[in-house]
Amino acid sequence: QAVVTQEPSLTVSPGGTVTLTCGSSTGAVTSGLYPYWFQQKPGQAPRTLIYDTSNKHSWTPARFSGSLLGGKAALTLSGAQPEDEAVYYCLLSHSGDVVFGGGTKLTVL
Amino acid sequence: EGQLVQSGGGLVQPGGSLRLSCAASGFTFSSYWMNWVRQAPGKGLEWVANIKRDGSEIYYLDSVRGRFTISRDNAKNSLYLQMNSLRAEDTAMYFCVSTAGYWGQGTLVTVSS
Repeated sequence: QAVVTQEPSLTVSPGGTVTLTCGSSTGAVTSGLYPYWFQQKPGQAPRTLIYDTSNKHSWTPARFSGSLLGGKAALTLSGAQPEDEAVYYCLLSHSGDVVFGGGTKLTVL
Repeated sequence: EGQLVQSGGGLVQPGGSLRLSCAASGFTFSSYWMNWVRQAPGKGLEWVANIKRDGSEIYYLDSVRGRFTISRDNAKNSLYLQMNSLRAEDTAMYFCVSTAGYWGQGTLVTVSS
């Protein structure tokens, strides 16, 4: 099974910009791995922010965007808000082998 | 807006069985892949299984293959997870998730004697 890697923790200042990344042990992340990004706050179910690399749902704040960057999937938060403090998980699909990353705890401070 | 409402779960002894259900509303259930995802206490998310729109393709996490069965009934807008031969390490909050973006509220499964 592939291993999906994320930064364990990151800190961003209110109003600042931060990029979270998602790598795969199998090599470069491409759109063919259908990268997803999820946000989870304490005591809540996760919610889906980004699907298929860069597509947003109707509820996804405009300040979040997804992309491919340097062989990894990336989630960029531009103009961080206090309510964005959460754990962010990426997910990659390797031909029926679906794997979550370990999550990035994002602190807005 | 779409919604997924879960039922089932609870406390079961090792070796026992449970069935989880997930009822969809507010979106075209049959148009989307469905997944089960779990989260052990204090841990990250772990994908468990998924099923194609028409049920023709199914995939499992290695550690649950042969013990868990995912199924769906598009006429009832419902997803199921039959869990047999449960182990202590299956203890977790279980979520149903649609590729439409919706998550269920989660249901706790505790495997303990």
